[in-house]
Amino acid sequence: QVQLVQSGAEVKKPGASVKVSCKASGYTFTNYDVYWVRQASGQGLEWMGWMNPNSGKTGYAQKFQDRVTMTWNTPISTAYMELRSLRSEDAAVYYCGRGPYCSGGSCYSRGMDVWGQGTTVTVSS
Amino acid sequence: QSVLTQPPSASGTPGQRVTISCSGSNSNVGSNFVYWYQQLPGTTPILLIYRNNQRPSGVPDRFSGSKSGTSGSLAISGLRSEDEADYYCSTWDDSLNGYVFGSGTKVTVL
Repeated sequence: QVQLVQSGAEVKKPGASVKVSCKASGYTFTNYDVYWVRQASGQGLEWMGWMNPNSGKTGYAQKFQDRVTMTWNTPISTAYMELRSLRSEDAAVYYCGRGPYCSGGSCYSRGMDVWGQGTTVTVSS
Repeated sequence: QSVLTQPPSASGTPGQRVTISCSGSNSNVGSNFVYWYQQLPGTTPILLIYRNNQRPSGVPDRFSGSKSGTSGSLAISGLRSEDEADYYCSTWDDSLNGYVFGSGTKVTVL
């Protein structure tokens, strides 16, 4: 079945970086965008950015523009999100999600129809 | 502060109909599709409605979505106890060039 499996929980010190992985299975990895979303404890959902493994394009929310990098490894159908210069307010559950289907330069969005299980990132000195 | 405004809470008794609004602007809801997600307590969000009013397979037809101008809405008819959850609207924002979520609405079944 279609699923996204994320890497395990992380504990980081302020100023460090974290890299979360998201392994896709059950579908053609290069046919869909991957979105990244985070949720601090008791708070709402916050979109961080997107990546398209086929076109090679990425797009980041302005808030994270200078601290986040989204990459991927197509042969192993895995997406990565790295967030640098961590601060306490970056403590959250980070989710990857399958985004729009893209082919031949056009995309069809059905929303984030598949989500990873989430990765808890704790930032503490 | 989200660019999409949702009421923080909504409630109803079993069997009632509850409606949640999602107010935006011309750069987001007014010119793009609206999506709705349900997040049950302690779980990962799931897609409830896509492209304003389409239901993914497996989503009960008690859930329906609509959009008019710069506002979207989610209706839950025949409210059930298992519908107690947080509900988020979302859409693309052309000005921000990014996806945005509403602040979420907590639905309580009385």
